[in-house]
Amino acid sequence: GENVEQHPSTLSVQEGDSAVIKCTYSDSASNYFPWYKQELGKGPQLIIDIRSNVGEKKDQRIAVTLNKTAKHFSLHITETQPEDSAVYFCAASIEGYSTLTFGKGTMLLVSP
Amino acid sequence: EAGVAQSPRYKIIEKRQSVAFWCNPISGHATLYWYQQILGQGPKLLIQFQNNGVVDDSQLPKDRFSAERLKGVDSTLKIQPAKLEDSAVYLCASSFDSGLYEQYFGPGTRLTVT
Repeated sequence: GENVEQHPSTLSVQEGDSAVIKCTYSDSASNYFPWYKQELGKGPQLIIDIRSNVGEKKDQRIAVTLNKTAKHFSLHITETQPEDSAVYFCAASIEGYSTLTFGKGTMLLVSP
Repeated sequence: EAGVAQSPRYKIIEKRQSVAFWCNPISGHATLYWYQQILGQGPKLLIQFQNNGVVDDSQLPKDRFSAERLKGVDSTLKIQPAKLEDSAVYLCASSFDSGLYEQYFGPGTRLTVT
């Protein structure tokens, strides 16, 4: 089955800096890659996703890049703010199937 | 619109006891998921329902876990008997349909087995 590795496990940045979280996946059939943000005491919330027919997608301060050849994808957050502090999860799935395989998560801490 | 509702939010039980969790998905969502999230890890799918039928329960420990979704709306997840390693947050999620539709997660139920 699919295996998703996520790095780093923790990331501390100063407010205004950029943050990058990287994930690799094992199943070349995977073609849907969502990113979730989980705040303390809450369920994960989708923040951005990318499908394999594109290499990059942006939404304001958040962007995701995908390299299908290398089987890795990354989340980029620019101009970080304290409210970006949370645990971020990457996931992978095969189109046509709902099953998401999640990485272990990255705790992002943004200091004022 | 109202989100995914779960109850209880917290539960503490002793090993070998039984426990049940309840989930009410977003209205109109055909697909419902139960995930187990152990501390420090990502969510792991336990079972997926499409309406009131099971689509995927390959990772559900069927000797102790059971789930049902009567009438294709609410769902309950039961553990009997509980083990120490069942301590985790149990997340319910729903989506409009199966396939690549956004999954909306509830706040979860934190289970502690002592």
